[in-house]
Amino acid sequence: AQSVTQLGSHVSVSEGALVLLRCNYSSSVPPYLFWYVQYPNQGLQLLLKYTSAATLVKGINGFEAEFKKSETSFHLTKPSAHMSDAAEYFCAVSGSSNFGNEKLTFGTGTRLTIIP
Amino acid sequence: KAGVTQTPRYLIKTRGQQVTLSCSPISGHRSVSWYQQTPGQGLQFLFEYFSETQRNKGNFPGRFSGRQFSNSRSEMNVSTLELGDSALYLCASSFRFTDSRISGANVLTFGAGSRLTVL
Repeated sequence: AQSVTQLGSHVSVSEGALVLLRCNYSSSVPPYLFWYVQYPNQGLQLLLKYTSAATLVKGINGFEAEFKKSETSFHLTKPSAHMSDAAEYFCAVSGSSNFGNEKLTFGTGTRLTIIP
Repeated sequence: KAGVTQTPRYLIKTRGQQVTLSCSPISGHRSVSWYQQTPGQGLQFLFEYFSETQRNKGNFPGRFSGRQFSNSRSEMNVSTLELGDSALYLCASSFRFTDSRISGANVLTFGAGSRLTVL
């Protein structure tokens, strides 16, 4: 079974500082990994996805994530936080080996607060 | 192009009632998935429909059901509502790959959700 663990349910960073949101996955097959963002009263928006093409994945809004198989990690980073980055971020994993295995398993989420 | 549309956005029901939520996917997307989001349980997969057939199902009781129409629009129904059914119900659509080797790479586009409150 696949799962993801997000370390830190709440993260606060100062505006302009580095954003680092942690995600570790568990999967018996090569996974597909995703980061989604959710703003208040909205659905989920895809930030980026890893599908084995490249280990460093660039997404929208200046975010990127690096797939590290040796550490089973897929941490999300942004060099300089902006006030508009305040939201909840979800890491998710889906399977790749079986048709019908496309469902996403989400982590518990990390709420990012930006300090002015 | 238009995104995923969910209706209604907000609704209040009482215990024992039933509710039907609707989801219109992005044009051309034939797969629709439903997720429940609660503070306690987080985001949980309910079911997925593709070509009017349920392809995948999560661990929810039979009170939760869904269907998909020929135009790919989907509805989910919850019968005999319980207080614990209060949640944000999210619908997501995708262009489902037919190659099983990459089907997991489907990107889900989510709607804004239907927030259900059960009193």
